[in-house]
Amino acid sequence: DAGVIQSPRHEVTEMGQEVTLRCKPISGHNSLFWYRQTMMRGLELLIYFNNNVPIDDSGMPEDRFSAKMPNASFSTLKIQPSEPRDSAVYFCASSLRLAGGAQYFGPGTRLLVL
Amino acid sequence: GENVEQHPSTLSVQEGDSAVIKCTYSDSASNYFPWYKQELGKGPQLIIDIRSNVGEKKDQRIAVTLNKTAKHFSLHITETQPEDSAVYFCAASIGTGNQFYFGTGTSLTVIP
Repeated sequence: DAGVIQSPRHEVTEMGQEVTLRCKPISGHNSLFWYRQTMMRGLELLIYFNNNVPIDDSGMPEDRFSAKMPNASFSTLKIQPSEPRDSAVYFCASSLRLAGGAQYFGPGTRLLVL
Repeated sequence: GENVEQHPSTLSVQEGDSAVIKCTYSDSASNYFPWYKQELGKGPQLIIDIRSNVGEKKDQRIAVTLNKTAKHFSLHITETQPEDSAVYFCAASIGTGNQFYFGTGTSLTVIP
């Protein structure tokens, strides 16, 4: 199994630009989670999906953030417009609900907004 | 909502010694408790988990204990090795497919 795949692995952009992060969950998993990790705030859950449906987006910091899951094998997290305080590592994780719920994380996207 | 506290925030041990990391949770409905290891530049990796119907679980040098009455659970690493150096996170969850509530992490350093 390839595990959770995220792209890009690194992104450097300028303030005001649109940023799109991509995630491919483990095949067969039906729950997908987007996290943000910073030194100051640790691991924060931004949003999660069950069967491609957003369940809880209360962690999304602002309207500048949006996430979609058009099918079971793909999800995007978009930031528009980006700001320097969005700089962080963004992780995607997936799980199989019926198997007990263990979440498996991708390698992350390191975002730097200048 | 659930609140997970993790201690200590940093831990240094000599190679070969044991390391213990403790977490407490607030919601008695939590029933699933995973532990993750995160190495520098990588995503968190699940290393062991325990459910509320079990008091202890072992996997080679790693063990987790759960005290439901006191609402705390601990990670025990025996015979530590330099490659155990990483940040460890505990988490608690209610049910399956639901969100995890993570602790703030413990940075473990194993001194050769």
